[in-house]
Order: sequence, then structure tokens, then C-alpha cells
Amino acid sequence: EVQLVESGGGLVQPGGSLRLSCTASGFTFSTYEMSWVRQAPGKGLEWVSHSSSSGFTIYYADSVKGRFTISRDNAKNSLYLQMNSLRADDTAVYYCARWGREEAGPKDAFDLWGQGTMVTVSS
Amino acid sequence: SYELTQPPSVSVSPGQTASITCSGDKLGDRYACWYQQKPGLSPVLVIYQDTKRPSGIPERFSGSNSGSTATLTISGTQTMDEADYYCQAWDSSNWVFGGGTKLTVL
Repeated sequence: EVQLVESGGGLVQPGGSLRLSCTASGFTFSTYEMSWVRQAPGKGLEWVSHSSSSGFTIYYADSVKGRFTISRDNAKNSLYLQMNSLRADDTAVYYCARWGREEAGPKDAFDLWGQGTMVTVSS
Repeated sequence: SYELTQPPSVSVSPGQTASITCSGDKLGDRYACWYQQKPGLSPVLVIYQDTKRPSGIPERFSGSNSGSTATLTISGTQTMDEADYYCQAWDSSNWVFGGGTKLTVL
């Protein structure tokens, strides 16, 4: 089955750290660009970070730049998000999402999403 | 930074046509896509590259994009289509989402 499964969420104090994981199955993970997208409770979707298929090219939203680090291990079919200096406004469900492709080229959209993992930053 | 603007809510009667807009500077010059999200579930892609439907998405979902506005159209809206809908586009190494539109079918 083609799927993404996130893990690693939980309750953390302000200023703390957390590492999220996303494990892919059912497709050739190493050939896809991947992103993390978050959704604060009752709010909309917010893109967080993006990795090229190799992991060599990386982008971050201004809101997390300098605090979050995206990485991937293609041998383990896994995407990671290291989150440091966490703040209350980082509280959200974090999704990993696949930047889709088809034979003709990129789909220019996220065509596969995980179920999400909840991160709560609170004292 | 680039912004996409959606109406917070749209209402439609069952069987009628619903239109949800997404506005951004010269949005028609880039690809727009749309996601459907039902309560407690992950987003699902319903339209990509302005007009294309992924496999498994009903034909009643269609999209357009011109000028500064992309539009998601749902023809013959069903009660199961009640959900939040988000547009998204890419701009200068930023993946931008609209604020979302709650579609109510009543």
C-alpha cells in the first residue's frame, strides 16, 4: 500500500526539542521530493519545509528558519524534521507530504499525505 | 511574500454548483491546485495543474485558473462534498496555501 506514516509528536515545553519521522512505503521514496506541512488547531495549512529527492536542496518557511532542520534517509525510506527552540505557536498537527510526479513530469501538487502527528508546545 | 486569498465560507444546496475562488498576484501565470480536507482527516488532492483530476476524484470536480484567480467548481454538489478546501501554489521556493474555504452543503 502506498502510504506515509508520521511519528514522534508529543508534548514538549517551550524552548524544547522534538524530532518527527515520516516513513514511506509502497513507492520509490528516493525519487520524490517531500515536504512537511503543519496545521494549528482550528487553522489552515502552513508549509514548513521541503527537501529535494536527494536531500541536497532544502527550503524552509521564514517562521521556522534557523530552528527546524529537515533531512531524509533514502535507504530507510524516511523523512525527518528536527525541531528546536519550540514555541507555543508551533503547536500543530504535522503532516509529511509527497510532491507528486507523473510520466510527463511534476504534478506541482502534494499528491500523498500522511495521517499527521500532533505536536503540543506548552508548559 | 506571496499570498493566496480564499473566501472563508461558501454555501450550496445539494445538486447545485459550488464555486470556490482563490486569488493571488498573477496566479494565472503559475499552476494552482486544490485539496479537500474533511474533519479529522488528512488533506486529499482533488485538482492539480489548474485543471487535472487525480485518479479516483469524481468528474464533478473541475478547476480553472486565469488572470489572478483560480476557481474550484463542484457540479451537482453532494452532501459528502462538505469539507474545507485549500488552494495552493508555488512561488520562489515557497509552497503557499490559501486560508481555506469551508463548503457547507444544505
